[in-house]
Amino acid sequence: AQSVTQLGSHVSVSEGALVLLRCNYSSSVPPYLFWYVQYPNQGLQLLLKYTTGATLVKGINGFEAEFKKSETSFHLTKPSAHMSDAAEYFCAVTPANQAGTALIFGKGTTLSVSS
Amino acid sequence: ETGVTQSPTHLIKTRGQQVTLRCSSQSGHNTVSWYQQALGQGPQFIFQYYREEENGRGNFPPRFSGLQFPNYSSELNVNALELDDSALYLCASSFRLAIRQGTDTQYFGPGTRLTVL
Repeated sequence: AQSVTQLGSHVSVSEGALVLLRCNYSSSVPPYLFWYVQYPNQGLQLLLKYTTGATLVKGINGFEAEFKKSETSFHLTKPSAHMSDAAEYFCAVTPANQAGTALIFGKGTTLSVSS
Repeated sequence: ETGVTQSPTHLIKTRGQQVTLRCSSQSGHNTVSWYQQALGQGPQFIFQYYREEENGRGNFPPRFSGLQFPNYSSELNVNALELDDSALYLCASSFRLAIRQGTDTQYFGPGTRLTVL
């Protein structure tokens, strides 16, 4: 069965510091990979996704993620945190050999940004 | 372009009651997925509809049921409500060229917060 592990339920950084949110997946075949952000009392917004091709994916708001098959990882980074980045971040996968089925989400990481 | 909308935004029910949640897809989308997000957890897949047919179901009991209409809007019905059904219910819509396309981006609505007392 597919699963997603987000290491660290809570990450705190200072404004201007590097943001690194970790995501590892368990899958017998390479899945499609997604990062979503959820602001308080709102739905989820897609930050970026990896399906095929280039393993370094750039998303919105300056975020990027790199698919590393050998490490089964898809970590999310941003070079310089902004106060507005404070939110809940979810990594999700959908099995490529079962395309058309559900998104499987991790438990989420809360990002706090201090001034 | 109108995004995904859900109604109502909040709902309070008592155990044993039934509830219907509604979702309007983003214009041009033909696929709707429903997720349950318990407090402090990631969303969990309930089921998905592609062009009015159920296309996959998560580990939820039959008292969770749904519909997709010809205009691709959707309903989630929950019968015999239990306390553990208290959660944020998210609807997501997307456009697929084919039923097995998995690269479509799912656009989420703001959710319906259901509280069961």
